[in-house]
Amino acid sequence: GESVGLHLPTLSVQEGDNSIINCAYSNSASDYFIWYKQESGKGPQFIIDIRSNMDKRQGQRVTVLLNKTVKHLSLQIAATQPGDSAVYFCAENSGNTPLVFGKGTRLSVIA
Amino acid sequence: NAGVTQTPKFRILKIGQSMTLQCAQDMNHNYMYWYRQDPGMGLKLIYYSVGAGITDKGEVPNGYNVSRSTTEYFPLRLELAAPSQTSVYFCASSSSRSAPGNTIYFGEGSWLTVV
Repeated sequence: GESVGLHLPTLSVQEGDNSIINCAYSNSASDYFIWYKQESGKGPQFIIDIRSNMDKRQGQRVTVLLNKTVKHLSLQIAATQPGDSAVYFCAENSGNTPLVFGKGTRLSVIA
Repeated sequence: NAGVTQTPKFRILKIGQSMTLQCAQDMNHNYMYWYRQDPGMGLKLIYYSVGAGITDKGEVPNGYNVSRSTTEYFPLRLELAAPSQTSVYFCASSSSRSAPGNTIYFGEGSWLTVV
C-alpha cells in the first residue's frame, strides 16, 4: 500500500472555524514533509513544510504538527475561509527518492 | 515568470494513438517530474529526471517514455494510448531533491482522455 495516507477523505467546516486535516505515514526514515493545496482545475501548490527534527511549524493561518512517535502529520487552518476549499495532500521525502503523495482530503467550507 | 508550462491543456486520443505532452520550466531547475492523477486520487510519479540526459522510472512508468535533452524541457510520450491512461498529468520541477527551500513547483495540468 501507499506509505502516506489520510484518515479522512472529505471534511466540511463552517466558515470561521478551524480545520484539521490528518495524514499518516509509514516510512520512519522520511526526513521532510510537505502539505500541498490543490484547487479545482489547477496543479498542487506548496503550503507549508516541516523537517523531521521539528514537531511544529507555523505559517500564516496554517500550522503543521508532526508526531514521529505515531507517524502522524496534521495541517491546521485557522479561521477557515471559502478560499480554503480545495483538496489537501501531504507528501513525504526520504533520502534522494522523489516525493510520495497521499490520497488527499477534500476540504469544503460552508458559508 | 512563467514557472512550469504544460501543453496541451486538454486532449482526446483514440486507443492506439500516440502523443507527446510538453513541459517547459524557466527556473533553471535541475529536477523535473511527471505525475498522473486519477479522479479522486493522489499523485503517482511516472518518471523523473535529476538533470539533462538523466531519467529514472517512478511508480507507474509503463506505457510512457521521457527524454531530457535540455534543462528546460521534459516531454512525456505515450506510444500506444490505452483507456487506463485517461488521467490528469502534471509536470513539476525543483532546483534539487525536494527539501526545505527546494520546493517542487507544479504546472497547471494536462487533461487526457483516451476513447
